[in-house]
This record gives sequence, C-alpha cells and structure tokens, in this order.
Amino acid sequence: AQTVTQSQPEMSVQEAETVTLSCTYDTSESDYYLFWYKQPPSRQMILVIRQEAYKQQNATENRFSVNFQKAAKSFSLKISDSQLGDAAMYFCAYRSLGSNYKLTFGKGTLLTVNP
Amino acid sequence: DAGVIQSPRHEVTEMGQEVTLRCKPISGHDYLFWYRQTMMRGLELLIYFNNNVPIDDSGMPEDRFSAKMPNASFSTLKIQPSEPRDSAVYFCASSPQYSARGKLFFGSGTQLSVL
Repeated sequence: AQTVTQSQPEMSVQEAETVTLSCTYDTSESDYYLFWYKQPPSRQMILVIRQEAYKQQNATENRFSVNFQKAAKSFSLKISDSQLGDAAMYFCAYRSLGSNYKLTFGKGTLLTVNP
Repeated sequence: DAGVIQSPRHEVTEMGQEVTLRCKPISGHDYLFWYRQTMMRGLELLIYFNNNVPIDDSGMPEDRFSAKMPNASFSTLKIQPSEPRDSAVYFCASSPQYSARGKLFFGSGTQLSVL
C-alpha cells in the first residue's frame, strides 16, 4: 500500500519570505500523481499544485513550485513571497493511476505566516 | 457548476442515535469518495465508488458505518449507532474517470459531533 509522510507537523515563515514543506512517499508503481492540497480554517480542500510522475519537469503555479525527486520519492512544496493568506494546513497526497484509484494523504503540515 | 454538495454542514447528535450524511457529486463524475478527518488520524479514506459500485471499503471502521450510492447523483454515509469517537469532519469528493488529471473535487465537509 502507498504511504505518504510529512515529517513537519508545523512550520512558520515571515511574510514575503520563502518556505519549503517536505513530503516523502512510498510506492512500487512507476506512474502516479502527486498533489499538494491547502486547507484553510474554512476547511475547504483547495488544490495547490499537482505533478504527474512521468513528467521530469517540476510543476509551478505562480508562487508555488515543487521539487519532485522520483528516485528519492520526495515531493516538496516551495512557497515564495509568502502571504498571510497562505496560512493553512497543507496536505501532500498520492494517487495511483492503476486499479486502486484512491487519493492517499499525509498527516499535514500547519503553516503559520508571521507579519 | 455547483461543485460537490454535502449536507448537513454541521450535525450534533447524542450517542446511540443514527446519523446520515449526504453527498451530491459533480454531474458526470465517475468516482465518489468518502473521507474522515480527525486531529489524530488525519484524512482517512473510508470508501469509494466507481459508477455507483463500491470498489474499496477497507477504510470503513466497523459495521456501524455503511455507505450507499443508489444513483450517480447521490450518496449517503450512515452511522448507526453513533459513538463519541465518530466525531470528525466527513468529506465527500468526486472525480471524473479520465479528465482533470487525477484531481479530486471536495465538498465543504460535514462537522459531526457525537455527545
């Protein structure tokens, strides 16, 4: 079974600075999706960024980018120019492309942005 | 598109009572997922359906939990009898088969409190 590990329960960053959230995963599959979801206090799950495993190029979405290391099974999220609105719980998630099409989440990292 | 609709948003009940959570997925989506979120265990997949058929219910905690999807536009998660340890946020999510590059679309969740 696939597992997703986020080793940082909490992180903090100063407004306008850069922060990196870590995620590692375990799988025997070669093709899959990886995601970062954001959950603000409203509890709505918001997709931040996604990465297809077959793509070597790291995904970017405005101030959000990932460092995808397939061999190391690592998928970190970098937030540049942090804003107060970035404060939230961030979840790393894995989704198989095979028959077991479920999304498996890490335990989450609570990000605080200090003004 | 109205997105995934869950009801109720909040539910407070007493131990031993039956609780029914409802979900309307996005029209045309083939997959429907039920997740439970707690502080201790994070986001856990309870069950998911493909074309109204349950595919994986290995996450359902025990026989007190049951889920149904009588048609493509409606699903229920029932807990009978409810216990205080069932208190959590329950999310429903849906996904199309091939498009959206693996993304799950989440509802706003139901906050369940069992007293």
